[in-house]
Amino acid sequence: KQEVTQIPAALSVPEGENLVLNCSFTDSAIYNLQWFRQDPGKGLTSLLLIQSSQREQTSGRLNASLDKSSGRSTLYIAASQPGDSATYLCAVYTSGTYKYIFGTGTRLKVLA
Amino acid sequence: EAQVTQNPRYLITVTGKKLTVTCSQNMNHEYMSWYRQDPGLGLRQIYYSMNVEVTDKGDVPEGYKVSRKEKRNFPLILESPSPNQTSLYFCASSSHRGGGQPQHFGDGTRLSIL
Repeated sequence: KQEVTQIPAALSVPEGENLVLNCSFTDSAIYNLQWFRQDPGKGLTSLLLIQSSQREQTSGRLNASLDKSSGRSTLYIAASQPGDSATYLCAVYTSGTYKYIFGTGTRLKVLA
Repeated sequence: EAQVTQNPRYLITVTGKKLTVTCSQNMNHEYMSWYRQDPGLGLRQIYYSMNVEVTDKGDVPEGYKVSRKEKRNFPLILESPSPNQTSLYFCASSSHRGGGQPQHFGDGTRLSIL
């Protein structure tokens, strides 16, 4: 059964730092992996989606990488800002299941 | 504006009183799904639907029902709610039934079952 883990559960950094969030999964037979942002009291906003055949995706200051064979993805945030403070979630879509499995998220706080 | 709309946003009710949470999307998406989010457990998928009249169980379907009579609507039904169904619920949709496109989420429904 697919399991998705995100470490650390919480992270505080000063403004301007580059940072990396981690996501690991146990079953490498994934179709894609998606990173989301969740603000308090809000739904999830899709940040990046990486297909299983891709190694990375970039959007602005965000870069997500995928290493299927090792069961890992990272979300790199460059030059962090207080507005980046949120919970970041990853989700994998495992081939043949039509289901999404989410990690429990990393709560990020960027200090001004 | 492309969106997924859930109603109600907040509901406090009592054990055993049937309730329905509605979900509607205006993007003509095939795939729709319901999740619950609990502290320490993350988001868990309750049910999903790949198209009209096609639904299937996610990881935590017990105590819930769904229907997909129209492409845009995917209501979540709690026939006899219990306190362990107190949670934050999200509806989501995607244009690709195989998961090849990003999911779009509603703003959530916070249910409290007393």
